[in-house]
Order: sequence, then structure tokens, then C-alpha cells
Amino acid sequence: GNSVTQMEGPVTLSEEAFLTINCTYTATGYPSLFWYVQYPGEGLQLLLKATKADDKGSNKGFEATYRKETTSFHLEKGSVQVSDSAVYFCAPPSGGYNKLIFGAGTRLAVHP
Amino acid sequence: DTAVSQTPKYLVTQMGNDKSIKCEQNLGHDTMYWYKQDSKKFLKIMFSYNNKELIINETVPNRFSPKSPDKAHLNLHINSLELGDSAVYFCASSRDPSSYEQYFGPGTRLTVT
Repeated sequence: GNSVTQMEGPVTLSEEAFLTINCTYTATGYPSLFWYVQYPGEGLQLLLKATKADDKGSNKGFEATYRKETTSFHLEKGSVQVSDSAVYFCAPPSGGYNKLIFGAGTRLAVHP
Repeated sequence: DTAVSQTPKYLVTQMGNDKSIKCEQNLGHDTMYWYKQDSKKFLKIMFSYNNKELIINETVPNRFSPKSPDKAHLNLHINSLELGDSAVYFCASSRDPSSYEQYFGPGTRLTVT
């Protein structure tokens, strides 16, 4: 079945630093790919998505490009803020219906 | 207005008890889910219902029984609670079974002592 590998956290950065969170996946075909974010004490929210190969998803200054050659969907942000502190989940579909695979997520802590 | 709401937010109970968690969504979605998030933040799907019909049933102990009285509600009943059931349980919804854009509730933190 499909699977996802996401870099382990925590990732600790100073404000305005550059962020990369790596994500690689195995999947049948070329499914849509998603990044979800979980802020402290809240449920997950969809952050961005890419629906086909070479597509770039973006939202709130975050970007991720769907690279079919490397089966990767790394999350990047040029200048992080304290308010970006959260847990980030890369989520490819599991196959069949609407099942997403969520790994353990990557915790990001941004300090002033 | 809260799109996906869950009650209670916190639930502390003893082993062997039976408890329920309720979920409601006001988004008009057809599909709802229950997820379990363990202490290491690993999130795993448990069940999914589409318009009151069960469509995803992962390998979950049969002590867990979902129930959907209508498409806006999906409740989770747990019998004979065990220590390992301690986790945060999230309800979510999506427009339909083909949509991967899911909207999550705030979670219910269950602690079994």
C-alpha cells in the first residue's frame, strides 16, 4: 500500500529562518498530495495541496512542489514566524475512497 | 460558528467503564471520520461514514462502535475501556468520499486510569 516518510522533529528555528520539512511517499499512480497543520490544542487543518506532478501548492507563505521523479513533497517557508509553531503532517492518499495516511508529523518550534 | 464540534473536550474515566464521544458538523458534508492520535502524535483513521453508511472500518477492537444517526452526526461508543485507549480522538468531515480535504474537530482527550 501507499506510505509516507516524514523527517522527525522537533525542528527548532529562530524567527525569520528558512524552513524545510522533508516528505517522501510511495503511491500507486500520481495521487494528490497534502500538507496538514495542527496548532497547539486544535484539530488538523489543510495547509496546502498539489493535485498533479510538478504542481506547486502554496498557502500562508508555505510552499510544496510535487516531484514525481523523487516522489517527494517537501514543505518550505522562506521566513518562519512564532505563530507557525505547530505540528506538520504530510498526507498522501492511502488508496481507495478517501483515506489519507498521516505519519507522526513534524513538530516545529519557532523562537523569537 | 464551529464547523466540526466534539463533546466532551476532556474525558477522564476508569478502566472497564463505557463512554461515548459525540461529533457534529454543520458544513453539509456527506462523509465523516474518527481518528485516534496517540501520545507521539501518530494519527490513524478508525472509521468513516458516508451518509450514515459505514465505508471505512480499520482494524479496531470491536469494543469501539461508531454510530451515525444522520449525516451531520457521528458518535463513538467505547466499551470496557482499557489503559491503551488513552489518546486524543478527532472527528473529521469531508464533502464526499472522493474528497481528501478533511475538516477536523478540536479533539477529545480521553484518559483512562
